[in-house]
Amino acid sequence: DVKVTQSSRYLVKRTGEKVFLECVQDMDHENMFWYRQDPGLGLRLIYFSYDVKMKEKGDIPEGYSVSREKKERFSLILESASTNQTSMYLCASSFGGLAGVRGVETQYFGPGTRLLVL
Amino acid sequence: AQSVTQPDIHITVSEGASLELRCNYSYGATPYLFWYVQSPGQGLQLLLKYFSGDTLVQGIKGFEAEFKRSQSSFNLRKPSVHWSDAAEYFCAVHGSGNTGKLIFGQGTTLQVKP
Repeated sequence: DVKVTQSSRYLVKRTGEKVFLECVQDMDHENMFWYRQDPGLGLRLIYFSYDVKMKEKGDIPEGYSVSREKKERFSLILESASTNQTSMYLCASSFGGLAGVRGVETQYFGPGTRLLVL
Repeated sequence: AQSVTQPDIHITVSEGASLELRCNYSYGATPYLFWYVQSPGQGLQLLLKYFSGDTLVQGIKGFEAEFKRSQSSFNLRKPSVHWSDAAEYFCAVHGSGNTGKLIFGQGTTLQVKP
């Protein structure tokens, strides 16, 4: 089974702190994703990465950065946490390559990190 | 641009009753479509997916979904709901290109009455 793990289930931070959320997958997936989930808004893509050291902005990248130094690990960084970044953060991974090949489109999700910024 | 709409934010059904969750998509070509379920406090689990072929797709936990191109819909169904099905359900469509990006609907919360 694919396993995607996230470093923390719950996190409480203060405004202005630098926050690191870690995600690790064990399926040798090329693609990794960070979403935030808020009630009534569904999942919104923050950043994604399709290879080591490669990253692309998603729909809501402001206030966030990412790092992918190793294939299995994708980190989300809140440079200076703010209260409006209180949310559920979900990491996902999938195979890379052409659509329709190897099930590239199917994303596997971690359990999520619920972040509270005070 | 691709988009997904789940018209029902919240649905309540009685245990043992049938269920249908609606999903409408907007996509120019043949879409790749997904349903995910999220139990309280958990990540998302894939229920089923449609890539091509038979328009009626079977998934895990007794769920099925039917792709209807003429209606741009991919509704999720279950003939008899169990209390453990109470969760949030997300429909998603694969975005354009080869990035592997998914576009999610807003989600439908299912409550099951005893």
